[in-house]
Amino acid sequence: TQLLEQSPQFLSIQEGENLTVYCNSSSVFSSLQWYRQEPGEGPVLLVTVVTGGEVKKLKRLTFQFGDARKDSSLHITAAQPGDTGLYLCAGDEGANNLFFGTGTRLTVIP
Amino acid sequence: NAGVTQTPKFRVLKTGQSMTLLCAQDMNHEYMYWYRQDPGMGLRLIHYSVGEGTTAKGEVPDGYNVSRLKKQNFLLGLESAAPSQTSVYFCASSWGAGRGYTFGSGTRLTVV
Repeated sequence: TQLLEQSPQFLSIQEGENLTVYCNSSSVFSSLQWYRQEPGEGPVLLVTVVTGGEVKKLKRLTFQFGDARKDSSLHITAAQPGDTGLYLCAGDEGANNLFFGTGTRLTVIP
Repeated sequence: NAGVTQTPKFRVLKTGQSMTLLCAQDMNHEYMYWYRQDPGMGLRLIHYSVGEGTTAKGEVPDGYNVSRLKKQNFLLGLESAAPSQTSVYFCASSWGAGRGYTFGSGTRLTVV
């Protein structure tokens, strides 16, 4: 079983603050994906990163894939209450399925 | 705008009862998956399918069976439910693992 460790597990911040969550593994992935899950719903894909060192921006969210393709980070600028949710990273080893991390639960307080 | 539809949304079973969870997708995806999500353990793969008529075991397949008789449907069966199967079950579909998943909204199952 592959291990994708996410940190921190829980994060509670004030509206307007910046934050970074991390996704680390000892495995090399051909791609890595980030999802956000809201209570009572399934995860929704935010982004896929494929190339080592790649940086992708989605409005206030910045995603980076490590040079060695073993880790990734998600940075949120000026967090808003609508960013509240469970953030999941998932790695693709080139097999037929993804391996998911245990998630970072973010709460943004107005 | 359907995507992936799971039925039922909620279910309570007694130990030993059986049930089938239905997943339907309208995106013509080849790959379909069943995951369970438990607190502190993330999403764990139960079974998956890479095309109509095919199935394969995932990380936690014991106590579950699946069928993919039609490309758009993926059924998850519990033959004899146990309290350890209390969980939230998610179905997902994709063109391939690296292409991203589309998830359903989940089925919350409680076994008493």
